[in-house]
Amino acid sequence: DIQMTQSPSSLSASVGDRVTITCQASQDISNYLNWYQQKPGKAPKLLIYDASNLETGVPSRFSGSGSGTDFTFTISSLQPEDIATYYCQQYDNPLITFGQGTRLEIK
Amino acid sequence: QVQLQESGPGLVKPSETLSLTCTVSGGSISSYYWSWIRQPPGKGLEWIGYIYYSGSTNYNPSLKSRVTISVDTSKNQFSLKLSSVTAADTAVYYCARCRRFLDMDVWGKGTTVTVSS
Repeated sequence: DIQMTQSPSSLSASVGDRVTITCQASQDISNYLNWYQQKPGKAPKLLIYDASNLETGVPSRFSGSGSGTDFTFTISSLQPEDIATYYCQQYDNPLITFGQGTRLEIK
Repeated sequence: QVQLQESGPGLVKPSETLSLTCTVSGGSISSYYWSWIRQPPGKGLEWIGYIYYSGSTNYNPSLKSRVTISVDTSKNQFSLKLSSVTAADTAVYYCARCRRFLDMDVWGKGTTVTVSS
């Protein structure tokens, strides 16, 4: 089974900062990597699919990149409403694995 | 737009079977994969399994021996059964719609299931 290593596990940043989260797969997963945002008490929300595609309606300050085993999620200018936990999720036919999550806080 | 709603008992006794249903409204259950995911209190997301509308399934290997996911296209519903539950199965259970490469674009609000006697 493919393991996902997401880092950091927590992150504190200031409004306006550029924020980066990484996810590393234990094997090549091509671009089958998605990113979700989860706010407390809410269901996760899809932000980025297929590593770099912005889901409809998601602000353009969110972006994703990478392929193979190494992936990056970026918020170009952190906003107060971005406080949440972020998860990567990979699809290695036929199985799915989530990363451990990154808790993002405002400094 | 498509909405998902989980339903089922909020309390299950140890060793019994947890049963949940996800009702799809605003769209057809056809032509998509449908997934169950859970989140224990204070922890991360765990994928349980998914079903295609035609009935083919795939499960998390760590839960495979206890999980059954089924679909009822006539009711636009899919269901989860998890047998022999323990306190470790206490979690918020989510259902979600999966697109072609299993990205989950629509989620239910989640339902809390507590395993306790």
